[in-house]
Order: sequence, then structure tokens, then C-alpha cells
Amino acid sequence: ETGVTQTPRHLVMGMTNKKSLKCEQHLGHNAMYWYKQSAKKPLELMFVYSLEERVENNSVPSRFSPECPNSSHLFLHLHTLQPEDSALYLCASSQDRGNTQYFGPGTRLTVL
Amino acid sequence: EDQVTQSPEALRLQEGESSSLNCSYTVSGLRGLFWYRQDPGKGPEFLFTLYSAGEEKEKERLKATLTKKESFLHITAPKPEDSATYLCVSPSATNKLIFGTGTLLAVQP
Repeated sequence: ETGVTQTPRHLVMGMTNKKSLKCEQHLGHNAMYWYKQSAKKPLELMFVYSLEERVENNSVPSRFSPECPNSSHLFLHLHTLQPEDSALYLCASSQDRGNTQYFGPGTRLTVL
Repeated sequence: EDQVTQSPEALRLQEGESSSLNCSYTVSGLRGLFWYRQDPGKGPEFLFTLYSAGEEKEKERLKATLTKKESFLHITAPKPEDSATYLCVSPSATNKLIFGTGTLLAVQP
């Protein structure tokens, strides 16, 4: 595998379910990011991890819980989501913050 | 306030009809200007990084240029497979990426 991978690519869940999104980067980067992209809207930055430490949390509801166990892996744990949380969730990585970010293919999430 | 503005919002071209996309930025202490391409339902794909006014970069039918206030993405003789949303992005002084809203390009055969 090369670049940034995300699994699953598609996810349908009920409002009471608990699920996790996984991201893995194979670029040797030290910063990783979660973004949300709703239809016809710009990307919204959710979380930033630098050297496995969360350095930014952009007022994201607590029903989204990130985890970064090491510099190559990033998770987004989901619980009791709302239908308005349906969106494309994108993971990205970069070598140091502020530099070019490389994105994964995204997870298309639908909350019923 | 740091801002990145792209125009037009949407552009429809005939195959072979060259044009340019515009990105205006007001980011203090420019630390780079990135161009990405995004296909529907997929993650943005990195195209170019420009760092200083006068810099140009090319890739196939695309050429990106940078001035002190704007960047242009020139598309020469586009093909239908160039259809996508093109995003202009710049990092702020706090290392947060400022995204433009994108230009949706449609190239008709």
C-alpha cells in the first residue's frame, strides 16, 4: 500500500451504533488530520495530530472521538451520531504542520 | 483575516478550449500555495505547491503560476478527464490550511 489509505470506504450506521474509521499513512509523515466534507461545502478541519499528540480540536461534538496510537495510524470513533453527520470523512497526513497534505480516498458515511 | 477565494465557482469548457482558474489569497506571510484536484466522492489529489511570486509549475495540461496576490491554474487543450473540482489552499501563520471553495470544471467532448 502506498500513500494514505482509509477503511471502510463506505459506512451506513444507525444513530445508536458505534463504529470506527481507520486511516493509515505510508509516507513517514509526523502529522495527521481528520476532515469532514459535506455536500457542496468546503472541507472542515476536525482534528489535528502532530507527533501523535492532539494539537487542534475545532469545536467538534464529543460524539466524534479521535485516536492516534502511533504516527502511521489515526482512528475516528463514532457513537450516537445524527443524520446531519452524514458526509465524506477524509484523512490526510503531512511532514510537519502547514506543509502539503496528502489525502486518503475518504469514507462515505451515511447515518440513518 | 486569512482568506482564499476561487473563481469562477463553475466553468464549462469544450474539449480543447483552454482557460484559467483564479485563486486570490489574503494570507499574511505566505508559506505556500497548494493546488489540488478532487473527483466526486474522493479525496483531494495533490497537484502543485508554489512558494514565491513568479514561480511556475507544470503537469501535463496544467500549469500553475503565482503572483503576490493571486494564483492561476491554466488548463491547455483540456480533455473530458480533466473534469473535477480544483481546490486552492494556503497555510495560515498558525499552520492551519485555508481552503478555497473550489472551481468545478466540466469539459465536454
